Amino acid sequence: NAGVTQTPKFQVLKTGQSMTLQCAQDMNHEYMSWYRQDPGMGLRLIHYSVGAGITDQGEVPNGYNVSRSTTEDFPLRLLSAAPSQTSVYFCASSSLGGAGAEAFFGQGTRLTVV
Amino acid sequence: AQSVTQLGSHVSVSEGALVLLRCNYSSSVPPYLFWYVQYPNQGLQLLLKYTSAATLVKGINGFEAEFKKSETSFHLTKPSAHMSDAAEYFCAVTRFGNQFYFGTGTSLTVIP
Repeated sequence: NAGVTQTPKFQVLKTGQSMTLQCAQDMNHEYMSWYRQDPGMGLRLIHYSVGAGITDQGEVPNGYNVSRSTTEDFPLRLLSAAPSQTSVYFCASSSLGGAGAEAFFGQGTRLTVV
Repeated sequence: AQSVTQLGSHVSVSEGALVLLRCNYSSSVPPYLFWYVQYPNQGLQLLLKYTSAATLVKGINGFEAEFKKSETSFHLTKPSAHMSDAAEYFCAVTRFGNQFYFGTGTSLTVIP
């Protein structure tokens, strides 16, 4: 029962570097999303996807890119890291169409940009 | 637009005392409501959810929440706090189980 798996768990980047946060789920969920968590601000939606080949922006998409080539994987790319992107990132998945479907979360990636 | 407001970013209770964490929602139609718990350095775990079947919802670890449409509230309670309940709690709302809107969270401290 792996659920949602995120890698890496921790990462330190220098300003201007790029990297990809990986997210994989084994529950055959159509819907996947990325959030960032900052103190006092809760979780804010970055990007989401309702299926392979379909992605859309959330509340705070600037500086991030996503793609969805398979149902299982939903990587998040930081194009040119900035200190403002220091945060904890969570990937989540859920099934579409079910009434009040639960979102399942990964363990998070703690990113520091120096 | 949908949103949730969690009153009190920090709540402290004594071990054995009542836990009450407040959540109010703003929605044009009855939403689906959730409470998630986050233990230190971990992801979010579902405590309970309201999907219109019953207004009083029971969750894991002895928590429950009551949906009150007249007050647009979905407060989380537990009769007797345990040390292991110390965590961050998030209220969230959605309509079709996809896009979640989270509150800013309430950090619960349990005092021995």
